[in-house]
Amino acid sequence: KQEVTQIPAALSVPEGENLVLNCSFTDSAIYNLQWFRQDPGKGLTSLLLIQSSQREQTSGRLNASLDKSSGRSTLYIAASQPGDSATYLCAVTLTSGSRLTFGEGTQLTVNP
Amino acid sequence: ETGVTQTPRHLVMGMTNKKSLKCEQHLGHNAMYWYKQSAKKPLELMFVYNFKEQTENNSVPSRFSPECPNSSHLFLHLHTLQPEDSALYLCASSPQRAGPVYNEQFFGPGTRLTVL
Repeated sequence: KQEVTQIPAALSVPEGENLVLNCSFTDSAIYNLQWFRQDPGKGLTSLLLIQSSQREQTSGRLNASLDKSSGRSTLYIAASQPGDSATYLCAVTLTSGSRLTFGEGTQLTVNP
Repeated sequence: ETGVTQTPRHLVMGMTNKKSLKCEQHLGHNAMYWYKQSAKKPLELMFVYNFKEQTENNSVPSRFSPECPNSSHLFLHLHTLQPEDSALYLCASSPQRAGPVYNEQFFGPGTRLTVL
């Protein structure tokens, strides 16, 4: 059974700081990995999707990397802003076609 | 806006009530999903519909009954719920080809359900 763990559970940083969120998964036979953002009481917004054949994806100030062999992904946020405050979720899909398995998320607070 | 809408956004119901949650996607996708998000727990997949056919039921109690009349609409019918069913219910859709592997999912804003 695939398990997804996100560390840290919560993170508070001053504005302008670069930061890294971590995601690890137990089964490396993944099809893809997605990073989502969730604002309080809201749905999920897809940030980045990395296919199993890719090593990283970039969108603006966000960069996600994938290391299948070690079962890890990181989300790098450059020059953080208060508007980045949200919960960040990582989710993986196995090549066997099983469901998206989510981590519990990292709650990020960027202080002005 | 992700192209996936959900109504109502908030719902309070008693344990003997019957209500329905609605999800609509305007993205031309073929797969739709129901998830449950409880406090301090990871999102849990409840149901998957692919080309209007239910392909997954993640051991969900029968008091939750999904319906997918077409590839754009998904319902979750609720009856005789329990207080522990209070949660955020999220709908998602994805562009799906035939086969089991799931592509990028787009989520709606969710329905916050409170069962008294």
